Amino acid sequence: DGGITQSPKYLFRKEGQNVTLSCEQNLNHDAMYWYRQDPGQGLRLIYYSQIVNDFQKGDIAEGYSVSREKKESFPLTVTSAQKNPTAFYLCASSMVPLEGAGELFFGEGSRLTVL
Amino acid sequence: SQQGEEDPQALSIQEGENATMNCSYKTSINNLQWYRQNSGRGLVHLILIRSNEREKHSGRLRVTLDTSKKSSSLLITASRAADTASYFCATVGNTPLVFGKGTRLSVIA
Repeated sequence: DGGITQSPKYLFRKEGQNVTLSCEQNLNHDAMYWYRQDPGQGLRLIYYSQIVNDFQKGDIAEGYSVSREKKESFPLTVTSAQKNPTAFYLCASSMVPLEGAGELFFGEGSRLTVL
Repeated sequence: SQQGEEDPQALSIQEGENATMNCSYKTSINNLQWYRQNSGRGLVHLILIRSNEREKHSGRLRVTLDTSKKSSSLLITASRAADTASYFCATVGNTPLVFGKGTRLSVIA
């Protein structure tokens, strides 16, 4: 079945460590996105990519990095520079770039906890 | 950046009743979308309404859009316990899709 796969579902990190969250899609979508969700809050955009080898910062990019070497993959690295990384991270993709956007398809999320 | 703000923040109703959630936003949009999120899960797209549309239906869902008031509403008719979830509006303009904080709906059987 087509969809978006995020891994791992749960991740624990010690302070000072970098961690990478995986996001893979087989929907043949051009655009991919990373959002962060804190308890009881909405989603905040971290990074997005509309095409391979190109990506843009969202509202809260500081302390995060991404790459888009393949159309299917958009991994997110949470670096030690991110001061409060404990959160629920959601990856999404869409068929067209957001300026003309259709619906977003979401993965099931990765919950990161800093110990 | 533009942002949808849902109202109310939380809503509790009996099964069979209708649930209405509202969304307000600040700037012009191309379209507005509603999503549902079950606890601890990803979001699922429910419905998209374009800026030149005023009303749209999908099953038990009815969405309205008033661009003059910069507001939208989502109506769920004949609610079921399985409708218990958080509902988010998301606006699409010249920047990537921006989500509000959501309405937590509880449907009591």
